[in-house]
Amino acid sequence: QVQLQESGPGLVKPSQTLSLTCTFSGGSIISGYWSWIRQPAGKGLEWIGRIYTSGITNYNPSLKSRVTMSIDTSKSQFSLSLSSVTAADTAVYYCAASNGSPEFDPWGQGTLVTVSS
Amino acid sequence: EIVLTQSPDFQSVTPKEKVTITCRASQSIGSSLHWYQQKPDQSPKVVIKYASQSISGVPSRFSGSGSGTEFTLTIESLEAEDAAVYYCHQSSSLPLTFGGGTKVEIK
Repeated sequence: QVQLQESGPGLVKPSQTLSLTCTFSGGSIISGYWSWIRQPAGKGLEWIGRIYTSGITNYNPSLKSRVTMSIDTSKSQFSLSLSSVTAADTAVYYCAASNGSPEFDPWGQGTLVTVSS
Repeated sequence: EIVLTQSPDFQSVTPKEKVTITCRASQSIGSSLHWYQQKPDQSPKVVIKYASQSISGVPSRFSGSGSGTEFTLTIESLEAEDAAVYYCHQSSSLPLTFGGGTKVEIK
């Protein structure tokens, strides 16, 4: 069973770039993709984007100008970069897998990123 | 963008009662609708995929129905461990979107 774990700085200054990595273990995605999803405290879920094992990406138009995703299958990792962050980007960031079926399963445990000076 | 509207926002239910949550899509999405359960301080967990397909390991009291623009998640005979926020999610078209969530509280 695939397991996911997010990692990265918990505090980012305004206008800087948020960078997170998701490490997967216990298997691989044969046909599917990896997504980043975020959740501000006490609010709902927002899909940020996804990356296929091939490297093909799709981003949410609301964030597209600031988002870059990459994947390194040799390290079993995929990454998220979000530039020019503001306080509105403060949230718990989750990585999730979609393997052969589009539902998100499993999810990582999530990592809180706070944007503050 | 497909907007998913969940109702109600909040539901307070006694144990063994039946819970019904609705998710309406702003345009037809076929059966590309999935349901998640999120307990406090936990990541979401899928409980139903493709509107009505069960998930291994999820109790059989969870079921889903619907297609097109209207979908329902039903929890038969609610148990205390089912207290959570439930979200729907559509995978029909980009960007992928979620409903606003329904909080289920145990009375």
